[in-house]
Amino acid sequence: NAGVTQTPKFQVLKTGQSMTLQCAQDMNHNSMYWYRQDPGMGLRLIYYSASEGTTDKGEVPNGYNVSRLNKREFSLRLESAAPSQTSVYFCASSEAPGIYGYTFGSGTRLTVV
Amino acid sequence: GENVEQHPSTLSVQEGDSAVIKCTYSDSASNYFPWYKQELGKRPQLIIDIRSNVGEKKDQRIAVTLNKTAKHFSLHITETQPEDSAVYFCAAGGNKLVFGAGTILRVKS
Repeated sequence: NAGVTQTPKFQVLKTGQSMTLQCAQDMNHNSMYWYRQDPGMGLRLIYYSASEGTTDKGEVPNGYNVSRLNKREFSLRLESAAPSQTSVYFCASSEAPGIYGYTFGSGTRLTVV
Repeated sequence: GENVEQHPSTLSVQEGDSAVIKCTYSDSASNYFPWYKQELGKRPQLIIDIRSNVGEKKDQRIAVTLNKTAKHFSLHITETQPEDSAVYFCAAGGNKLVFGAGTILRVKS
């Protein structure tokens, strides 16, 4: 039982490059989330998926897209990376939001130069 | 939308003392209030949570209180130990969570 798995763990991109961050959970959770963490700003919600087939914007969606590929997988795509997207990205999932908390992945540290 | 404010941003205590971290939220529809602990370079881990129909919850040395009328909730850690040193985040919401900016807790031995 791996929980929430994120790949890659580290990535350096040049401005304008694109990439996809992968997230998979093996807990049969319906809800999945992408957050970014910046110093002094806590965790900010980028996008979330309440269930397979649905996605919604969070607090900071600009510059990102998501795909809920199936119940297990929720990917985050940066189409044209900018230095402002340098951050640590966390994927999370929940069995029942509002009843149970999130289980977080180990994070992806992204640097855009 | 929801807005969560967390205080203090840093907190230093002597080993064995108590630590209190406070959060306020803005959306009266929020019904779930978890607290997460994050050690350096690690993922956030849930340490305790409380739902809007409960005023207080305790788990060994940690407790959380909720005042729905005032829209604030607090984390209390008693008999602090060096391994309690970490960043603590509060959050509020329902089907999605909004997080506070975090509190760096340092426990001095």
